[in-house]
Amino acid sequence: DAGVTQSPTHLIKTRGQQVTLRCSPKSGHDTVSWYQQALGQGPQFIFQYYEEEERQRGNFPDRFSGHQFPNYSSELNVNALLLGDSALYLCASSRGGYNSPLHFGNGTRLTVT
Amino acid sequence: AQSVAQPEDQVNVAEGNPLTVKCTYSVSGNPYLFWYVQYPNRGLQFLLKYITGDNLVKGSYGFEAEFNKSQTSFHLKKPSALVSDSALYFCAVRPLYNFNKFYFGSGTKLNVKP
Repeated sequence: DAGVTQSPTHLIKTRGQQVTLRCSPKSGHDTVSWYQQALGQGPQFIFQYYEEEERQRGNFPDRFSGHQFPNYSSELNVNALLLGDSALYLCASSRGGYNSPLHFGNGTRLTVT
Repeated sequence: AQSVAQPEDQVNVAEGNPLTVKCTYSVSGNPYLFWYVQYPNRGLQFLLKYITGDNLVKGSYGFEAEFNKSQTSFHLKKPSALVSDSALYFCAVRPLYNFNKFYFGSGTKLNVKP
């Protein structure tokens, strides 16, 4: 049973560029959340997708956008990259239900130069 | 404002000794509580959760956590540490009024020495 898979594992971009990160949820999961983990910090919630719609958004600018596809996979897009966007981007999937834990992928390490 | 505090950046313990990693939270209502572990260059791995019931919950790899409502704490424990337990540990809170979102602490690095 495959867990959460993310691609690519590493990415180097230049300021001002755009990037797309991809995520396939764990089998049986219908909800995908994206988190940003800066170096030495805990993950920060970006947004969550359910039924192909953004259900909730954290305190991130509109440069961060996403999408969920009918097969529940998801993309995170970041436009006009800033140096401060350098971080580990984590995708987490879950099933519906209040007590369902998040299952995380190994993340995409984004470096903006 | 909601917050999760892990007061220790690092915890050092000798192999075979008990370990405790502390977590306190400030969230309205009765949130769900979680512990995750992160190994280098990996995502977070679920260890255990508290939803309701017994204040002592058991999880993976021999870890357990004690919930204390009056102190709003959820400390992670293990009776006998292993060198392989060395990793970064995160406490997380999921408010019932906003269950789409998890709030994470800043993490505690656990070092278990042989």
